[in-house]
Amino acid sequence: ETGVTQTPRHLVMGMTNKKSLKCEQHLGHNAMYWYKQSAKKPLELMFVYSLEERVENNSVPSRFSPECPNSSHLFLHLHTLQPEDSALYLCASSQESVKGKNIQYFGAGTRLSVL
Amino acid sequence: QKEVEQDPGPLSVPEGAIVSLNCTYSNSAFQYFMWYRQYSRKGPELLMYTYSSGNKEDGRFTAQVDKSSKYISLFIRDSQPSDSATYLCAAGEGGRDDKIIFGKGTRLHILP
Repeated sequence: ETGVTQTPRHLVMGMTNKKSLKCEQHLGHNAMYWYKQSAKKPLELMFVYSLEERVENNSVPSRFSPECPNSSHLFLHLHTLQPEDSALYLCASSQESVKGKNIQYFGAGTRLSVL
Repeated sequence: QKEVEQDPGPLSVPEGAIVSLNCTYSNSAFQYFMWYRQYSRKGPELLMYTYSSGNKEDGRFTAQVDKSSKYISLFIRDSQPSDSATYLCAAGEGGRDDKIIFGKGTRLHILP
């Protein structure tokens, strides 16, 4: 266990469904991230929350909506997804500092299939 | 462009061999470097990180950074079938709002 827990581990949804991915970190970190991992591509950063404020959007389609109610929890709300959104969605956390390193710890991911 | 280049493999080596995994980068501002291991259907697991040139050893794993050549390596000694996984290198500049840049990952197969 890395201290970052993601649920569900697997999700199959139709294009008209609404679902949410959940992430919880038990490491006392102050930053959390959503990444998308597709085959043969580098990890794609989707959203960053630092001290519970969103600091990065990276031009993600509006059908993905993040929520960070506190420093330990992060959600990714999904609606009207497309088949090309099928991927492994990874949550990560880190302890950011002004001069420090941003070592990120990942959860096990949610394998999403959009039919 | 702030990229980290990594050969996707797959790389197949016999059990017990020394494995060498490599990445190159172009951004001179990168200050620290990480290696992650990712098993199939799992999230990336941090193996090692280093923020200076030279070697860092942890058990059978050695991370090496050559900032003059912009080259990072991960060596695995006495490789085991359980080392079969995808290995991702990553780099960062440091500081607040730092963006970590990941390589695409190298698939490694250790043959029994």
